[in-house]
Amino acid sequence: DSGVTQTPKHLITATGQRVTLRCSPRSGDLSVYWYQQSLDQGLQFLIQYYNGEERAKGNILERFSAQQFPDLHSELNLSSLELGDSALYFCASTSRDPPYEQYFGPGTRLTVT
Amino acid sequence: ELKVEQNPLFLSMQEGKNYTIYCNYSTTSDRLYWYRQDPGKSLESLFVLLSNGAVKQEGRLMASLDTKARLSTLHITAAVHDLSATYFCAVDIGSSGSRLTFGEGTQLTVNP
Repeated sequence: DSGVTQTPKHLITATGQRVTLRCSPRSGDLSVYWYQQSLDQGLQFLIQYYNGEERAKGNILERFSAQQFPDLHSELNLSSLELGDSALYFCASTSRDPPYEQYFGPGTRLTVT
Repeated sequence: ELKVEQNPLFLSMQEGKNYTIYCNYSTTSDRLYWYRQDPGKSLESLFVLLSNGAVKQEGRLMASLDTKARLSTLHITAAVHDLSATYFCAVDIGSSGSRLTFGEGTQLTVNP
C-alpha cells in the first residue's frame, strides 16, 4: 500500500457524460500528479499540482480539468466523454525530500460505453 | 521532447535463466526509476537511481544507471515465475521531483 488513495476503483459511464475522479496523496506530500494509461498511448502524464497550484501540464485534453483543494486532495474532471477516454487513471504523490520518489495510487478504471 | 525507449517490449524466458532489459532516454537526467506492474494493478516502485554509476539490487533484480550513455539496465538473475509482470522505466528531468516520462514497458513472462 503506497498511502495514496483513489476513488472510485471502477467507473462505467456513457459517451457524452462527465465524471470526477478523486485522489488523496500520502500524508505530508504536497504534490499530486495525474497519469493516464491506455493500450494506445501507454502511460502519459496529464497534470501536476503542488500545494493547490497547477505546476505542469502534459497531454491533457481541453475536456479534462483538475484541481487540488486546501486539504491537498485532488480531483480530475473528465467531460464530454468519448470511447477513447477509456483507460486507467493513476494519481501519484511525491515526497518533499530527496529522492522525490513518486508513489502511485491503485488507479481508477474508466470504461466509456 | 524527452523520449524513453525500452527493449525488448516482450520477453518470454524460462525459470532459472538470466536476462537484461534496456532503457534508453534522449535527454540528460540524473534520476531514473523502475516500476513493476501486475495486470490491472498499480505501479510498484522497484528502484530509484540517482547518479551516474548507481547500482541497486533487490532479490533477483539489479538495476544500474549510466547517465553518460543515457542508459539504464534491469538485470534478472535466475528468473522465477513470480517475476512475471510488466516492467517500466521512467525518467524525471526535474531537479526536485517532477513529471515522469515512461518507457513503453517490457512484458515479462517466466515459464516453468
